[in-house]
Amino acid sequence: AQKITQTQPGMFVQEKEAVTLDCTYDTSDQSYGLFWYKQPSSGEMIFLIYQGSYDEQNATEGRYSLNFQKARKSANLVISASQLGDSAMYFCAMRGNNAGNMLTFGGGTRLMVKP
Amino acid sequence: DVKVTQSSRYLVKRTGEKVFLECVQDMDHENMFWYRQDPGLGLRLIYFSYDVKMKEKGDIPEGYSVSREKKERFSLILESASTNQTSMYLCASTPMTGGYGGEKLFFGSGTQLSVL
Repeated sequence: AQKITQTQPGMFVQEKEAVTLDCTYDTSDQSYGLFWYKQPSSGEMIFLIYQGSYDEQNATEGRYSLNFQKARKSANLVISASQLGDSAMYFCAMRGNNAGNMLTFGGGTRLMVKP
Repeated sequence: DVKVTQSSRYLVKRTGEKVFLECVQDMDHENMFWYRQDPGLGLRLIYFSYDVKMKEKGDIPEGYSVSREKKERFSLILESASTNQTSMYLCASTPMTGGYGGEKLFFGSGTQLSVL
């Protein structure tokens, strides 16, 4: 069974500062993928970034980067230069070698950016 | 752009009613999913389907059933709604890939169901 743990229910960050959202995972699969999604107050789920377990380099997408530490089973999301529009729920998720390509999600972190 | 459409944004039902939540995707995706979202619990998988007429239980299937008669449509059914099924329901789809691929899930905008 797969499990995703996000230990920060809520966080504040000052506008223009960087912030790290924690994610740890547990799986017995040798190959897996890790995802981060953003959910603003509108409710839509927005894909942010993906990291494959065999990718040697940390994934980056604009202001988002994934700090992947395989031995520690962590996949933290780093947002640089926070903006007010970054205020949202953030979910970490993973996919292993499962039928249907389903994702297992963590409990989420609510990020609030202060002006 | 891929579009996943859920038929209702808000829904209010009475305890014991039969409830249908509809989801349609327009990108010919093989896989479709129903998740339930509750505060602090994240998204939990109720059912998924990887082909027409195929369905598999997720982590919390009790009290729910699903139907997939056409590739583009995946319906979630609450046979007899109960107050503990009050929640946000999210439908998602993704193409079939091998193993742990990076194909992301495309989500609908969600249905907030209240059972009174």
